[in-house]
Amino acid sequence: AQKITQTQPGMFVQEKEAVTLDCTYDTSDPSYGLFWYKQPSSGEMIFLIYQGSYDQQNATEGRYSLNFQKARKSANLVISASQLGDSAMYFCAMREGMNNRLAFGKGNQVVVIP
Amino acid sequence: GAGVSQSPRYKVTKRGQDVALRCDPISGHVSLYWYRQALGQGPEFLTYFNYEAQQDKSGLPNDRFSAERPEGSISTLTIQRTEQRDSAMYRCASSLRPGLAGGPYEQYFGPGTRLTVT
Repeated sequence: AQKITQTQPGMFVQEKEAVTLDCTYDTSDPSYGLFWYKQPSSGEMIFLIYQGSYDQQNATEGRYSLNFQKARKSANLVISASQLGDSAMYFCAMREGMNNRLAFGKGNQVVVIP
Repeated sequence: GAGVSQSPRYKVTKRGQDVALRCDPISGHVSLYWYRQALGQGPEFLTYFNYEAQQDKSGLPNDRFSAERPEGSISTLTIQRTEQRDSAMYRCASSLRPGLAGGPYEQYFGPGTRLTVT
């Protein structure tokens, strides 16, 4: 079964607008962590933000915030005030329970247009 | 500071040859991970180490794949008798501690080795 689901088609967003990237996850373990990574066309994988399953507040890192809805098993990434450099593929990933590996989704493609 | 480095960055090999991919993690990072990423997909877990101990190799596709980290720092992923289906980007990552230690302990990825088997 797919652990992480990212099903949005490629998205175009206007510069300076906000964009929300959807991520749903599947686990029966009460202890897990959710991560978002950015992969620009250069191919590197850049860590953006982390949310732990027991965290009471939604994570924020600069222009990135995570809309964590535990009951719905969703962990959507919100990028505020989009910049041209935000054009990239964005991956949601989960680490669950006693496993140390990350399970990644298939990614969301974002293109920021001026 | 220096990030995760991998070598070679590109490797073209003929079917049936063995290849060795090297990963140099961030200094002081306890945990080291190997992933494989096909075009248009997210990375797929292969194996990981804490120090020199291989903790989980359940993601290795078959016994042609092996990995080691003999001194708890540099790691080598070896693919024997390569096949065309092995062509992919092989990524290494490291984290300060294993995630089990509590806390995010996010994984930092290297630039990857693009393997092409002809």
